[in-house]
Amino acid sequence: DAMVIQNPRYQVTQFGKPVTLSCSQTLNHNVMYWYQQKSSQAPKLLFHYYDKDFNNEADTPDNFQSRRPNTSFCFLDIRSPGLGDAAMYLCATSPGGTSGINEQFFGPGTRLTVL
Amino acid sequence: QKEVEQDPGPLSVPEGAIVSLNCTYSNSAFQYFMWYRQYSRKGPELLMYTYSSGNKEDGRFTAQVDKSSKYISLFIRDSQPSDSATYLCAMILTGANSKLTFGKGITLSVRP
Repeated sequence: DAMVIQNPRYQVTQFGKPVTLSCSQTLNHNVMYWYQQKSSQAPKLLFHYYDKDFNNEADTPDNFQSRRPNTSFCFLDIRSPGLGDAAMYLCATSPGGTSGINEQFFGPGTRLTVL
Repeated sequence: QKEVEQDPGPLSVPEGAIVSLNCTYSNSAFQYFMWYRQYSRKGPELLMYTYSSGNKEDGRFTAQVDKSSKYISLFIRDSQPSDSATYLCAMILTGANSKLTFGKGITLSVRP
């Protein structure tokens, strides 16, 4: 089945220790997104790629970086995690397009714990 | 004022109850209105969407949009324990770079 895969599902890191979260997709979608979701809060868009074009949200901290080496993979790098970065990180993909809902398909998420 | 406000939860109902979930929004330019369902330890999945005002029905689920009041609702009839999840409303303008704007979500528990 076509899907969005995130690894690892659970990640524990230490305060200030860099961490990389991975997302892959078999949907061949043009757009890939990273969201941060804290408990009882709405998912917050960090950035997205339309093909190779990177779009950063204005309020995304510099501590968060992303790479998309090819269509299938996208990575979220947190350079110096703080306690406030503990959250669920969701990857999503969408076909792209100029009209319609451009439905986003979400992966299962990676739950990040910062000690 | 946040762009999308969702009724706070959690909500617990007995099996078979009718459930009403609601959101309000402030941006009149939103064109598509969606409901995502998120089971515990899973990512959100699109449940239903509506374009502009009106109702849309899919089995036990009905989505309703009132653009004049900037108010959307999701009704669940004959609720089942398997409906227990977090429900997030979401809205989008349109187009390739349009962003989903989510509500905070409400956690629904349907008691057998």
